[in-house]
Amino acid sequence: DIVLTQSPDSLAVSLGERATINCKSSQSLLYSSKNKNYLAWYQQKPGQPPKLLIYWASTRESGVPDRFSGSGSGTDFTLTISSLQAEDVAVYYCQQYYYTPRTFGQGTKVEIK
Amino acid sequence: QVHLFQSGAEVKKPGASVKVSCKASGYTFTTYYLHWVRQAPGQGLEWMGIVNPVGSTTTYAQRFQGRVTMTSDTSTTTVYMELSSLRFEDTAVYYCARGGGIAALSDAFDIWGQGTVVTVSS
Repeated sequence: DIVLTQSPDSLAVSLGERATINCKSSQSLLYSSKNKNYLAWYQQKPGQPPKLLIYWASTRESGVPDRFSGSGSGTDFTLTISSLQAEDVAVYYCQQYYYTPRTFGQGTKVEIK
Repeated sequence: QVHLFQSGAEVKKPGASVKVSCKASGYTFTTYYLHWVRQAPGQGLEWMGIVNPVGSTTTYAQRFQGRVTMTSDTSTTTVYMELSSLRFEDTAVYYCARGGGIAALSDAFDIWGQGTVVTVSS
């Protein structure tokens, strides 16, 4: 199975500051013939289901604020929140959808400093 | 409005089975795949399997093979997940999620059900 390792496990960021979460895959998620990375990012708040933020590693889902951005290719990916807002407090997960079984990272908890 | 609505909470004894439903609305049911994902208390997300509503073709995560059955009913636009031989460690929130299919922009999970709490307790 593909292992996704997120770092850090948690981080505390001041309001308005940048938050950066990394996700490293045990195998490449780049489908060369389509030039697409099969990686998504989700946000999960307490008591709620996950919410899709980013797919194809860098495409923002409709309605997601533009302070959220995704980057990376192959095995190394990053989710950036450019200016942290109070409502961004949540756990963030990366997920690969290239291989079966689909797998998720262990999650990164983002809090306000 | 696209929506996945799941059945209510369940409490089961070890060794029993549980069947959770997920009713889809607001889109063409046969053009997207549906997945089941579970989350144990305080833990991360675990993919269980995928069902193609056309023909109920399925692929399951190996760790659930032999214990899980996923089906679909196109007449009611509902998918089901049945887990048998329940153990204490199956206590979790079970989610259905839409992801992939001929109408999908990607295979990412863009719509999620509200979750169904399954508690295994003696």
